[in-house]
Amino acid sequence: KNQVEQSPQSLIILEGKNCTLQCNYTVSPFSNLRWYKQDTGRGPVSLTIMTFSENTKSNGRYTATLDADTKQSSLHITASQLSDSASYICVVSSNTGGFKTIFGAGTRLFVKA
Amino acid sequence: GAGVSQSPSNKVTEKGKDVELRCDPISGHTALYWYRQSLGQGLEFLIYFQGNSAPDKSGLPSDRFSAERTGGSVSTLTIQRTQQEDSAVYLCASSTGQGAPYEQYFGPGTRLTVT
Repeated sequence: KNQVEQSPQSLIILEGKNCTLQCNYTVSPFSNLRWYKQDTGRGPVSLTIMTFSENTKSNGRYTATLDADTKQSSLHITASQLSDSASYICVVSSNTGGFKTIFGAGTRLFVKA
Repeated sequence: GAGVSQSPSNKVTEKGKDVELRCDPISGHTALYWYRQSLGQGLEFLIYFQGNSAPDKSGLPSDRFSAERTGGSVSTLTIQRTQQEDSAVYLCASSTGQGAPYEQYFGPGTRLTVT
């Protein structure tokens, strides 16, 4: 069964600290992996997208890594800000015929002053 | 520029009633997706339109759910005889194509509450 598992479910950190969110997947065959940020009451916004051949991608203070062999990805947030408080969703797509994109349940990040 | 818009932003309906949710994709985007997000759950794919091709309806949970996309632009998701388990946020996204590297741009969602 194609699955995307994220951990932790929620995380509380102090402003200025770093954190790392994890994503494990079993989706096969693999096409690409995306990380989205979803603010409360808003639609998800893309942070990074990585294909099979890419093992790291940065977007400002966000750095995503991908290990296609172990089927793991991480999202590292550096020098967190209050505005980073949101849900972070890992999304994995397959390149079989038709549409196959699996969303993780997300990690809820709270950044406190 | 204008992003994906959805209406209404909130909808409260009684069990058994029909509802229509609207999505206006980004102009020129050929692909349009509907998702459902229940509290604490990941997004669940419902249906996907790509150009003039037949839509991929494989994610629709029951025959009470249907969607149309008129003129390759605006889409309407219809839920007939709503049930309490239909309560969720319904998100629409559009992209210039399907799959990688086409980015999906999401609307703000419609929060549906069935009482």
